[in-house]
Amino acid sequence: QQPVQSPQAVILREGEDAVINCSSSKALYSVHWYRQKHGEAPVFLMILLKGGEQKGHEKISASFNEKKQQSSLYLTASQLSYSGTYFCGTEKGPGGGADGLTFGKGTHLIIQP
Amino acid sequence: NAGVTQTPKFRVLKTGQSMTLLCAQDMNHEYMYWYRQDPGMGLRLIHYSVGEGTTAKGEVPDGYNVSRLKKQNFLLGLESAAPSQTSVYFCASSPIGYGYTFGSGTRLTVV
Repeated sequence: QQPVQSPQAVILREGEDAVINCSSSKALYSVHWYRQKHGEAPVFLMILLKGGEQKGHEKISASFNEKKQQSSLYLTASQLSYSGTYFCGTEKGPGGGADGLTFGKGTHLIIQP
Repeated sequence: NAGVTQTPKFRVLKTGQSMTLLCAQDMNHEYMYWYRQDPGMGLRLIHYSVGEGTTAKGEVPDGYNVSRLKKQNFLLGLESAAPSQTSVYFCASSPIGYGYTFGSGTRLTVV
């Protein structure tokens, strides 16, 4: 079942903070976050695993509430380069990604100077 | 290091024609996936593979077939294209337990 992302879209000024939420009605093992710029491929940001482990390669933080089946992505002091569509992808079991991810419909983030 | 390479980048097909999309990765990843992306729908999983010689159906497999004869390649076939298959197709690969690396996509139009 597709996770629900909120908000659908947000417009910020450079330097402001944003929070993007991802929730599921089913128990989750892990949550992935990706950013996609217009006309480009999605780019991996972070993975959050059940038990609290986080793995990623960008200076963006996130949280994973296992009890509520929710994850939030925190973008602080936003830069123009943060603009794009953010997707969360959820994994139902500990397959290490083997069964594929179910992605939300995305959150459009626009950063204005 | 090319990452994930998809060919072709663009294609226009007539209804009923067939074609194969090629995905190649040079990162020695075990897992590979095919997704389609349609406006307002996000990314939907078509088929995936957990290793050479193995494939499985995803969320929207109808009208597509796949093969993974070599670890580095994952092919997506459309046997008889339909207008509903007009979409952007993304291939991705991943090591076990980590994030996906996506290819640059194939924009397919079926007329």
